[in-house]
Amino acid sequence: EAGVAQSPRYKIIEKRQSVAFWCNPISGHATLYWYQQILGQGPKLLIQFQNNGVVDDSQLPKDRFSAERLKGVDSTLKIQPAKLEDSAVYLCASSLGLPGETQYFGPGTRLLVL
Amino acid sequence: AQTVTQSQPEMSVQEAETVTLSCTYDTSENNYYLFWYKQPPSRQMILVIRQEAYKQQNATENRFSVNFQKAAKSFSLKISDSQLGDTAMYFCAFLLGSDKLIFGTGTRLQVFP
Repeated sequence: EAGVAQSPRYKIIEKRQSVAFWCNPISGHATLYWYQQILGQGPKLLIQFQNNGVVDDSQLPKDRFSAERLKGVDSTLKIQPAKLEDSAVYLCASSLGLPGETQYFGPGTRLLVL
Repeated sequence: AQTVTQSQPEMSVQEAETVTLSCTYDTSENNYYLFWYKQPPSRQMILVIRQEAYKQQNATENRFSVNFQKAAKSFSLKISDSQLGDTAMYFCAFLLGSDKLIFGTGTRLQVFP
């Protein structure tokens, strides 16, 4: 069974530029999560989708971050404009969406904002 | 709100020895789930072990086992017969229902030959 796919793996941009990340979850997984992991910290949730609806986006900086999950499968996360403090690893995870189900993570996208 | 604390920023162990990583959490809920994830330098989060709070029996997965103390809100990970490939960051995480995972700050484990 294929795992969670993410692209790109690395991205370097200058501040005020825009960037987009893509995630393809495990087939059949209803719930998709985007986490931000700043160096030296544990991941923190940015947004959670159940199928194509948003469940939790309370920690998403909505003035610069946006995310969508069209057709309840793939998802994109966009940052516009980027700030220096957005430098982090962006992890996508998916699960079946039932209580207690394991979340499986993709390889992540490492973003550096200069 | 739920919190997860990992009080050991770094640990080291010699190959073939046993090491225990500590984790405590705080919650007022009764039904929840706890996880240990491993994050090697590649940065991909890999599931190590999972525990349901309603189960008294400690979870085991080959060389990995947990000591789950619900009353003390403690969830430690024991790695037996440590291998060089176990070198990684280890994160303890708390899950309520199908919500977000709440992660600790991680413990960096170094296995020496």
